[in-house]
Amino acid sequence: KAGVTQTPRYLIKTRGQQVTLSCSPISGHRSVSWYQQTPGQGLQFLFEYFSETQRNKGNFPGRFSGRQFSNSRSEMNVSTLELGDSALYLCASSLSLDYNEQFFGPGTRLTVL
Amino acid sequence: KQEVTQIPAALSVPEGENLVLNCSFTDSAIYNLQWFRQDPGKGLTSLLLIQSSQREQTSGRLNASLDKSSGRSTLYIAASQPGDSATYLCAVNFNKFYFGSGTKLNVKP
Repeated sequence: KAGVTQTPRYLIKTRGQQVTLSCSPISGHRSVSWYQQTPGQGLQFLFEYFSETQRNKGNFPGRFSGRQFSNSRSEMNVSTLELGDSALYLCASSLSLDYNEQFFGPGTRLTVL
Repeated sequence: KQEVTQIPAALSVPEGENLVLNCSFTDSAIYNLQWFRQDPGKGLTSLLLIQSSQREQTSGRLNASLDKSSGRSTLYIAASQPGDSATYLCAVNFNKFYFGSGTKLNVKP
């Protein structure tokens, strides 16, 4: 069974640009969560989607947004990029809300110049 | 505010030792707790998931315990090997997951 895939794996952008990251969950998983990982702040929860609905949201500005499609694939978008947005963005999928063992993808490394 | 703390931040042991990693959290109303390992520059690998109704889970050389009343979980690694070297992260589900800052483990041959 294929794991969680994320594209692209690496991305370099400049301040002010916007970026879209993609996540394909494990087949059959309906919940997708996004996290930001930085050396200073560690792993921080961004948002969670289940059946195309945002179920939970972390404490990030509105520049960070996401969505989930009917096939459970998810995208997150960051607009007006800032230097501080440079991070590893991780996506995790889980089977359902009741049994939510999370399985992570390899991440997208975003560098903002 | 929910907080998750992992002690120690780093640990270096000789191969073959049994070791314990600690995770503490501030609120006993958790849904479950999950332990992960992360290799440098990589994503997270799930090790064990403990539901709030469980006291422990075992997988091979790994055993994780959960004591909700004291807000603690421990990850026990038996007979450590150099391949166990990684950062170990504890994630507590308070309706959304909060991560500790991790314990960086180095197992010396």
